[in-house]
Amino acid sequence: DIQMTQSPSSLSASVGDRVIITCRASHSVGSYLTWYQQKPGKAPKLLIYAASSLQSGVPSRFSGSGSGTDFTLTISSLQPEDFATYYCLQTYNTPRTFGQGTKVEV
Amino acid sequence: EVQLVESGGGLVQPGGSLRLSCAASGFTFSSHWMHWVRQAPGKGLVWVSRINSDGSTTTYADSVKGRFTISRDNAKKTLSLQMNSLRADDTAVYYCVRETWGPLDYWGQGTQVTVSS
Repeated sequence: DIQMTQSPSSLSASVGDRVIITCRASHSVGSYLTWYQQKPGKAPKLLIYAASSLQSGVPSRFSGSGSGTDFTLTISSLQPEDFATYYCLQTYNTPRTFGQGTKVEV
Repeated sequence: EVQLVESGGGLVQPGGSLRLSCAASGFTFSSHWMHWVRQAPGKGLVWVSRINSDGSTTTYADSVKGRFTISRDNAKKTLSLQMNSLRADDTAVYYCVRETWGPLDYWGQGTQVTVSS
């Protein structure tokens, strides 16, 4: 199974900050990497697919990069509604595997 | 509008069974692979199972293999998860999720499964 490791597990930030979350795969997943945002009590929301493609309707302050084993999710200017937990997911093979999550808090 | 609505969750004793359902609407259900993903209280997301568009191929996480069965009825636009021999560590919110050429793009609101005596 491909292991996905996110860092950091949590971070404290302020509105307007640039936030970078990383995700590392134990084996190459090409560009088969997806990022999600989840708020408490809600289902995850797709932000980025194919490592760097922005899902329709997602603000442009979110961006993704990377390929192979190393990926990043960047929030260019953190907004109040961005405080949430973020997950990466590899869709290169089965079983699909998620990162453990990164909680972005004040 | 794409909608996925799960049902069938509840409280069940260890060793018991439960069948989850997911009603799909707003898209061509028979064209998409579908997944179940779960989330234990306060924990992260865990992939459970996948079924291809015509139901001929299924895959499971090792933790549920032999106990859970995923299936679909394309005529009724319904995804199911039959869960047998339930254990305490199966306690979680279970999400029905659509796949579109790789990304899991639409998620249901989830249904709570609690395994406890």
